[in-house]
Amino acid sequence: QQPVQSPQAVILREGEDAVINCSSSKALYSVHWYRQKHGEAPVFLMILLKGGEQKGHEKISASFNEKKQQSSLYLTASQLSYSGTYFCGTERRKTKYGGATNKLIFGTGTLLAVQP
Amino acid sequence: DAGVIQSPRHEVTEMGQEVTLRCKPISGHNSLFWYRQTMMRGLELLIYFNNNVPIDDSGMPEDRFSAKMPNASFSTLKIQPSEPRDSAVYFCASRGRGQGAIFPISDTQYFGPGTRLTVL
Repeated sequence: QQPVQSPQAVILREGEDAVINCSSSKALYSVHWYRQKHGEAPVFLMILLKGGEQKGHEKISASFNEKKQQSSLYLTASQLSYSGTYFCGTERRKTKYGGATNKLIFGTGTLLAVQP
Repeated sequence: DAGVIQSPRHEVTEMGQEVTLRCKPISGHNSLFWYRQTMMRGLELLIYFNNNVPIDDSGMPEDRFSAKMPNASFSTLKIQPSEPRDSAVYFCASRGRGQGAIFPISDTQYFGPGTRLTVL
């Protein structure tokens, strides 16, 4: 049931771009993205609710393909502060066309290291 | 808002002892979740409550683990007896509207700072 994230780890230089993918085997109601720095709690970044939805703020954006049960997080012109582990949290539908289950199942995580 | 509050932040105990972790959710949030995080297993959902009622405890590893939510502002996760393999960071999260790092006022889960448990 756990969504699969890829890649597992990525190392970037400042200013480079990265894409993190999240794939589920179950029908999804929403996808929530989090970033966790070492020794800290996961911090919420954004939520995607509708298939085809894309959302973004400055250099961090995400998309949600409901049909493929996939979401991607895009980091452009990366900064040192972007370093951390990124998790997708997937929320399943109760039935094929039903509402949300209200619980998030988190992916395996993607470690992002941005170097100067 | 103070965010989700957890105590203690660190707990070191000996095998066989009882451990109680505490959580105060964000005021107004109706759902509360307990997670365990380890390097090997990642973030695992243990149990969650809606309106103080346990909805899904399928992630609770064994009968040694129990959780309660006596009211809307307090929850406990208890391990009795504790074992070295229970060593992990335990997070509590509440769900509702709150402040995110990028988008404000989003209906999602907000995590507490976690309790780092070490069982010797």
